[in-house]
Amino acid sequence: DSGVTQTPKHLITATGQRVTLRCSPRSGDLSVYWYQQSLDQGLQFLIQYYNGEERAKGNILERFSAQQFPDLHSELNLSSLELGDSALYFCASSAWDTTGELFFGEGSRLTVL
Amino acid sequence: KNEVEQSPQNLTAQEGEFITINCSYSVGISALHWLQQHPGGGIVSLFMLSSGKKKHGRLIATINIQEKHSSLHITASDPRDSAVYICAVMEYGNKLVFGAGTILRVKS
Repeated sequence: DSGVTQTPKHLITATGQRVTLRCSPRSGDLSVYWYQQSLDQGLQFLIQYYNGEERAKGNILERFSAQQFPDLHSELNLSSLELGDSALYFCASSAWDTTGELFFGEGSRLTVL
Repeated sequence: KNEVEQSPQNLTAQEGEFITINCSYSVGISALHWLQQHPGGGIVSLFMLSSGKKKHGRLIATINIQEKHSSLHITASDPRDSAVYICAVMEYGNKLVFGAGTILRVKS
């Protein structure tokens, strides 16, 4: 058990809909990272937050947004969903801003029909 | 050309064999991570390296910053080691770039 909790584990929805994925980091970790893993693109970095502030941005679509709350949990919002958004979405946490071991959640599997 | 290249893509070994997975990268990095992903999807961090060598049980990871190359070795491989091994580099600016992964199957 990594100590990182992601909900929901599975989610099935329709095109055009909006979903929210939630991540609770390991106790004491200030950084939260979001990643997407799809069959054709592999693992891709989406965005990082550190202590409530956005720190780094990767290949995140404009239809996607994220935030980190004062209690350090984070949410990834995906809107106007398309078939191609079907993927595993991972959250990871680490203690520090720029370095440190990463602890991964078990992922949220999103299926868009 | 991908920023992170792993080889081999697929590897089948007999139980007890010594295994090496290689990772080459083309950008400046602050650290390199080796990750393990089992069927079912969960990802576990094996090592984080910024220089030298680390060992944990039967796993050894090395990195050569000048040559932009890292290797993951598994000594005395076991069927439980069967998984996907992923090399990921942390670029300056906190962007983590992943290799495509090496699918390892260890036969008993």
